[in-house]
Amino acid sequence: DSGVTQTPKHLITATGQRVTLRCSPRSGDLSVYWYQQSLDQGLQFLIQYYNGEERAKGNILERFSAQQFPDLHSELNLSSLELGDSALYFCASSVDGKGTYEQYFGPGTRLTVT
Amino acid sequence: AQKVTQAQTEISVVEKEDVTLDCVYETRDTTYYLFWYKQPPSGELVFLIRRNSFDEQNEISGRYSWNFQKSTSSFNFTITASQVVDSAVYFCALSEKTTSGTYKYIFGTGTRLKVLA
Repeated sequence: DSGVTQTPKHLITATGQRVTLRCSPRSGDLSVYWYQQSLDQGLQFLIQYYNGEERAKGNILERFSAQQFPDLHSELNLSSLELGDSALYFCASSVDGKGTYEQYFGPGTRLTVT
Repeated sequence: AQKVTQAQTEISVVEKEDVTLDCVYETRDTTYYLFWYKQPPSGELVFLIRRNSFDEQNEISGRYSWNFQKSTSSFNFTITASQVVDSAVYFCALSEKTTSGTYKYIFGTGTRLKVLA
């Protein structure tokens, strides 16, 4: 158990809908990272937050957004969903904001868009 | 060009065999960090090791060992006497500095290891 929690575990929704994925980092970790893992694109970094502020952006679509709250939990919002958004979404946390330390991953949220 | 290359897509070995997973990286920075993660069938990524660019010492942890060679930009991972529980996808990752001063994590495409009983 990494100490990172993600909810929900599974999500099935229709195209055009909007969903919110939630992540709680390990105790003491200030950084939260979001990743998308799909079969054809591997593990893609989406976005990083550190202590409430956006720190780094990866291949995140404009339809997607995220935020980190004062209690350090984070939410990833996916809107106008398309079939291609079906993937495993991971949240990871790390002690630092720079990205030089190991990341601890949550169990992931499997999103299926039908 | 890929920054982290794991050329072996899938490897199958018989239990108790040794196996080496290759990782070749590309960076212009002198300060960078390398990682290995394991993703078992359950799906959760598990951190295995972190190495900074100034520490070329090889590391051994039980049946796992890592060989870091800056001269060839490689950070290979060897499992000795493999076991069925080692079956997983293994990812190599590089963290290097961006123009904004933060570090960006880049994962390789992973190597699927199947250990057969």
